[in-house]
Amino acid sequence: GAGVSQSPRYKVAKRGQDVALRCDPISGHVSLFWYQQALGQGPEFLTYFQNEAQLDKSGLPSDRFFAERPEGSVSTLKIQRTQQEDSAVYLCASSLEAAFSTDTQYFGPGTRLTVL
Amino acid sequence: RKEVEQDPGPFNVPEGATVAFNCTYSNSASQSFFWYRQDCRKEPKLLMSVYSSGNEDGRFTAQLNRASQYISLLIRDSKLSDSATYLCVVFDYKLSFGAGTTVTVRA
Repeated sequence: GAGVSQSPRYKVAKRGQDVALRCDPISGHVSLFWYQQALGQGPEFLTYFQNEAQLDKSGLPSDRFFAERPEGSVSTLKIQRTQQEDSAVYLCASSLEAAFSTDTQYFGPGTRLTVL
Repeated sequence: RKEVEQDPGPFNVPEGATVAFNCTYSNSASQSFFWYRQDCRKEPKLLMSVYSSGNEDGRFTAQLNRASQYISLLIRDSKLSDSATYLCVVFDYKLSFGAGTTVTVRA
């Protein structure tokens, strides 16, 4: 079956540009997570959705980062006025149940963002 | 202090060797632990859960020491295909990852 998909796979932006990264979770999955992975580091939590509700955005590094999941399926992570330190791989993960279960999180292939 | 600390390696081992590494975590209340595997430029994939009593999955053995707050992974009879970065993960509703331990198995 189809896994988690993300688009675009690669994005190059000039400093100051806005970008939008899309995640299509596995159909029917309740939970959706965004993670940021810098080079040589493990993924770092950004935000969590349970259906359309954003229950945790404590990991978003600044108010330039905004995420939404308006219909409880597809999610978009938007970064405004990109900076070089935003360069990273942005990973989306989904799981079938609400997050307090240890249900497996399935990761998408990521979007590699490079800010020049 | 990061929530999950790992020895970054790299561990370079010949085929057939045994390699072991561990990680430490800071939150003593954490309940669930995992090892994920990440190949170069790929997404992380679940390798195995880690249970208090220790558990095996084929050539992989995971151990948890709650008193010392560390988790270990041992790979027996290493294969070339085991070359990857192994991420130690603590689950507290969201996943907290270590920076990863790089393992390279050479022929």
